[in-house]
Amino acid sequence: AQKITQTQPGMFVQEKEAVTLDCTYDTSDPSYGLFWYKQPSSGEMIFLIYQGSYDQQNATEGRYSLNFQKARKSANLVISASQLGDSAMYFCAMREARYNQGGKLIFGQGTELSVKP
Amino acid sequence: DARVTQTPRHKVTEMGQEVTMRCQPILGHNTVFWYRQTMMQGLELLAYFRNRAPLDDSGMPKDRFSAEMPDATLATLKIQPSEPRDSAVYFCASGLASSGVRETQYFGPGTRLLVL
Repeated sequence: AQKITQTQPGMFVQEKEAVTLDCTYDTSDPSYGLFWYKQPSSGEMIFLIYQGSYDQQNATEGRYSLNFQKARKSANLVISASQLGDSAMYFCAMREARYNQGGKLIFGQGTELSVKP
Repeated sequence: DARVTQTPRHKVTEMGQEVTMRCQPILGHNTVFWYRQTMMQGLELLAYFRNRAPLDDSGMPKDRFSAEMPDATLATLKIQPSEPRDSAVYFCASGLASSGVRETQYFGPGTRLLVL
């Protein structure tokens, strides 16, 4: 079974508009962490934002925020005021506490975001 | 600005040749991960280390791949012999295990490998 599901292979957004990238996850572990990474065309993986399963508030980092809905097991990334430089592949990932010994991350398949001028 | 470094950035080789990829984790980080990225399979975890000890290499084809950490500042991934299906981008990432479930993995720029 897929642990991390990103249902949008590709998305378009107009510059300066907000966009939401979907991520759902599957775990029975009560303690887990959720991560979003950005991979521009240059290829590097850039860490964006983190949300812990016990965090009371949704995480925010600048123009990035995470819409965390624990009961629905979703951790959607919201990018406000899109910029052309936001065009990239975005990956959602999860770490379960049971694997904490190794810090193993499970990645989704990614969503390719294109920002239109 | 601390970063994970990887060498070489690009490698073109012929089938059957040995390939060695190197990674320097961020100073002070105690976990190192090797990933492979392809269009078909996405990001796959090959192996990871904590405090230089291998914790899991179940994602690696054992007959041809090997991963080591000779010291805390160097991790290596070797393929011998290489095959065309090994063509991919290989990423190294490092993290600090004491952060627990919050441990963030920081990725290097990757090695683009093409096996002809």
